[in-house]
Amino acid sequence: QVHLVQSGAEVKKPGASVKVSCEASADTFTNYPIHWVRQAPGQRLEWVGWINAGNGDTKYSQKFQDRVTFSRDTSASTAYMDLISLTSEDTAVYYCAREQKISINMYWLDPWSQGTLVTVSS
Amino acid sequence: SSELTQDPAVSVALGQTVRITCQGDRLRIYFASWYQQKPGHAPVVVMYGKNNRPSGIPDRFSASYSGNTASLTITGSQAEDEADYYCCSRDNSGYWVFGGGTKVTVL
Repeated sequence: QVHLVQSGAEVKKPGASVKVSCEASADTFTNYPIHWVRQAPGQRLEWVGWINAGNGDTKYSQKFQDRVTFSRDTSASTAYMDLISLTSEDTAVYYCAREQKISINMYWLDPWSQGTLVTVSS
Repeated sequence: SSELTQDPAVSVALGQTVRITCQGDRLRIYFASWYQQKPGHAPVVVMYGKNNRPSGIPDRFSASYSGNTASLTITGSQAEDEADYYCCSRDNSGYWVFGGGTKVTVL
C-alpha cells in the first residue's frame, strides 16, 4: 500500500514563497494524479488543484491559479507545490492525496499524507 | 450551483442512525466521496462512488443518492464516529470541490 510523506512544517514571512514536497512510497507514482488540499485553522477543506504525475499536466483552483505551481520529479516519486506571495490567510495545513478512479464518474482521494503546516507571520 | 452544500452540524444518540447530506448539481453526473476527519488528523475516505466502502471502514457506513443530493448514513453510531465529515466531487472540467463539512456529535 502506498504512503505519502510530506516535508516538515514551515514558517514564512508575508510576501515570501513556500515549497512543499510529497513523496510516494511506491513505484506506481506516475500512474495517479496527486491532489493538493489545504485547511486553515478551524476551517473547511479547500481544494488547491492536481498534477498528473505521469505527464505533468496540472489543474489549479481558480482561487490559487495565479500563485501556485505544481511540479514533480518522477525519479524521486515526489510531487511539489510552490505557493508564492504568501499572506497570513495562507496559514494552513497543506495535504497531498492520491486520486483514485474506477469509472468515468467515480473518483476519490486515497491515501492522504500527514499534512504540512505552513505558518505565515511577520 | 458549482458548490457542494452540507449542513454544518448534526447530533446523534449512541447506537442510533444519522444521515448527512451533500447537495450540488455536479452530483447528477459525478459521484461524491466522503471523508472523515478527526481533530489533528488527516482526512480518511469512508465512502466513494455509488455505495463503495474502502477496506477497513465499518459496514455501518453507507452512501446513497437522490437527484443532486448525496447522503452518508451511519447506522448504529459509535462514539468513535464523532468527527467532521466532508463530501467531495469533481466536475466535467476536472475541478474538484469539497462541501463545507458536517460536524457529527455522538451523544
